[in-house]
Amino acid sequence: QVLLVQSGAEVKKPGASVKVSCQASGYTFSSHGISWVRQAPGQGLEWMGWISAYNGKTNYAQKLQGRVTMTTDTSTSTAYMELRSLRSDDTAVYYCGRGGNPRNDAFDIWGQGTMVTVSS
Amino acid sequence: QSVLTQPPSVSGAPGQRVTISCTGSSSNIGAGYDVHWYQQLPGTAPKLLIYGNGHRPSGVPDRFSGSKSGTSASLAITGLQAEDEADYYCHSYDSSLSSLVVFGGGTKLTVL
Repeated sequence: QVLLVQSGAEVKKPGASVKVSCQASGYTFSSHGISWVRQAPGQGLEWMGWISAYNGKTNYAQKLQGRVTMTTDTSTSTAYMELRSLRSDDTAVYYCGRGGNPRNDAFDIWGQGTMVTVSS
Repeated sequence: QSVLTQPPSVSGAPGQRVTISCTGSSSNIGAGYDVHWYQQLPGTAPKLLIYGNGHRPSGVPDRFSGSKSGTSASLAITGLQAEDEADYYCHSYDSSLSSLVVFGGGTKLTVL
């Protein structure tokens, strides 16, 4: 069974950083990319960026450039998303989704989501 | 303001047919990039419903279908059922610099 399992909920203060993990199982991790998508409370989906699990190449949404870093650890089939200088409007559920090339591919498998709350 | 425009809500009675539109521009749907659709039930992660404009993943009922024309795409649901009540999002690629991947704002489907 193909699964993406994410780390647990986080509560952070403004200005802090958060690192969310997404562990894959049931498929060859390096054969697919991982995108990160967030959803603020009551809002729609926002794409944050993509990383190739094959070579670590990344593409980030322009509005998050400089604050977000996506990495992978192929030894544990895990993708990570770190967001720095957190603000209250970063409060959201963060999802990882499996997808190959962001130009063409849909996200066919999703993690269960990680709630990140930014509050003083 | 989302790059892809969807109606905020649609509704239909059980057994009826509804459609959800997704309107883009020449830098995304109109440029020939594929459109994908997701269903999100309350409190859960999105689920892939349609990929590559009109293809259904294994396990998705054939009551769901997708199409694309010009700068727009549509999701059609026939034989509406109570369990179809959810939020639906379209997704495509955008060649502008701001965001490579764009979503519609989402459409809430209510089964009357």
